[in-house]
Amino acid sequence: KAGVTQTPRYLIKTRGQQVTLSCSPISGHRSVSWYQQTPGQGLQFLFEYFSETQRNKGNFPGRFSGRQFSNSRSEMNVSTLELGDSALYLCASSLGGSSGGSDTQYFGPGTRLTVL
Amino acid sequence: AQSVTQPDIHITVSEGASLELRCNYSYGATPYLFWYVQSPGQGLQLLLKYFSGDTLVQGIKGFEAEFKRSQSSFNLRKPSVHWSDAAEYFCAVDSQTGANNLFFGTGTRLTVIP
Repeated sequence: KAGVTQTPRYLIKTRGQQVTLSCSPISGHRSVSWYQQTPGQGLQFLFEYFSETQRNKGNFPGRFSGRQFSNSRSEMNVSTLELGDSALYLCASSLGGSSGGSDTQYFGPGTRLTVL
Repeated sequence: AQSVTQPDIHITVSEGASLELRCNYSYGATPYLFWYVQSPGQGLQLLLKYFSGDTLVQGIKGFEAEFKRSQSSFNLRKPSVHWSDAAEYFCAVDSQTGANNLFFGTGTRLTVIP
């Protein structure tokens, strides 16, 4: 099975612009989670989508949003970019839908966003 | 609130030596625990996980981890380190069953010297 793929791998934007990142999960996985990784804050959870619905959300401002399509592919959008948004954005997929836990997330290679 | 502590920011070991990376968690219920590894410029690769059952879990690349409820620990071990093990290692806990909201430790960077 192909792993989680993320596009683009690298992105350079300027302050005030917006950006859209894409994530294709492992085939059969219905849950997609997004994480931000920075040297200062480490790995932080952004949000999770399952069956096209946002199921969980981390503590990030409304400038960060996402969506999921019927094929489970997901996009995240950051509007009005700030310098502090420079980070590695990681996407993870899992089977999802487990009421008893034991769901395992598999990560993509990430998108490196640089805001100038 | 849940949290994960990795007390060692950086560890250096010689190739062939044994390794133990520490992880302590704070979580009220039964935790779901994970170890991931990240090579420079790469995403996270799952090494192993603990959900329930046997407290000693085996993972890929010869790694193992032991869950100790009394110590709130989930330390990662490897009996003999290879130069290719040099990377950053992250311990993580799932906040609740099926939430897919991992809380990560700050990571431990492993350097392997020949």
